[in-house]
Amino acid sequence: KAGVTQTPRYLIKTRGQQVTLSCSPISGHRSVSWYQQTPGQGLQFLFEYFSETQRNKGNFPGRFSGRQFSNSRSEMNVSTLELGDSALYLCASSLRSAGYEQYFGPGTRLTVT
Amino acid sequence: GQQVMQIPQYQHVQEGEDFTTYCNSSTTLSNIQWYKQRPGGHPVFLIQLVKSGEVKKQKRLTFQFGEAKKNSSLHITATQTTDVGTYFCAEGFLEYGNKLVFGAGTILRVKS
Repeated sequence: KAGVTQTPRYLIKTRGQQVTLSCSPISGHRSVSWYQQTPGQGLQFLFEYFSETQRNKGNFPGRFSGRQFSNSRSEMNVSTLELGDSALYLCASSLRSAGYEQYFGPGTRLTVT
Repeated sequence: GQQVMQIPQYQHVQEGEDFTTYCNSSTTLSNIQWYKQRPGGHPVFLIQLVKSGEVKKQKRLTFQFGEAKKNSSLHITATQTTDVGTYFCAEGFLEYGNKLVFGAGTILRVKS
């Protein structure tokens, strides 16, 4: 079974631009979560989608948004990029609706200049 | 807010030595998951602990959940160079779907 895939793998943007990242979960997984990983803040939860509904949201500004499609694929969008948004963005999918192991994708490395 | 403290931040060991990382919370944990992230890689699920006092083993890895469900530990016996990476504990919240709150991680370096 194919793992979680994320595109693109690397991205360079300038301040003020917006970016969209994509995540395809493992087949059959309906839960998709997004995390931001930085050296200073570690792994931080952004949001989770389950059956196209956002169930949870972390402490990030409204510039960070996401959505999930009927095939469980998910996208996250960051508008008006700031230098501090430079990070590894990880997507994780899970088979069950709650409290279950998560499978992470390889991540998208975003650099904001 | 929700916070999981993990220590130590770094650990350098000689190959063959043991290694332990600890995860602590001021509140009762619903469940604890452990992940390993190799350098340049992504987190990979290792184990989930749910019950008070639970102990689980995977070959040289032993995972424990405290009796009060406020702490957990991961112990590696006789480390190998393949154990290199960052080990994270993460608190799961059943009432919040699959949201995980991660500890800061312990970076393990193994000298051969």
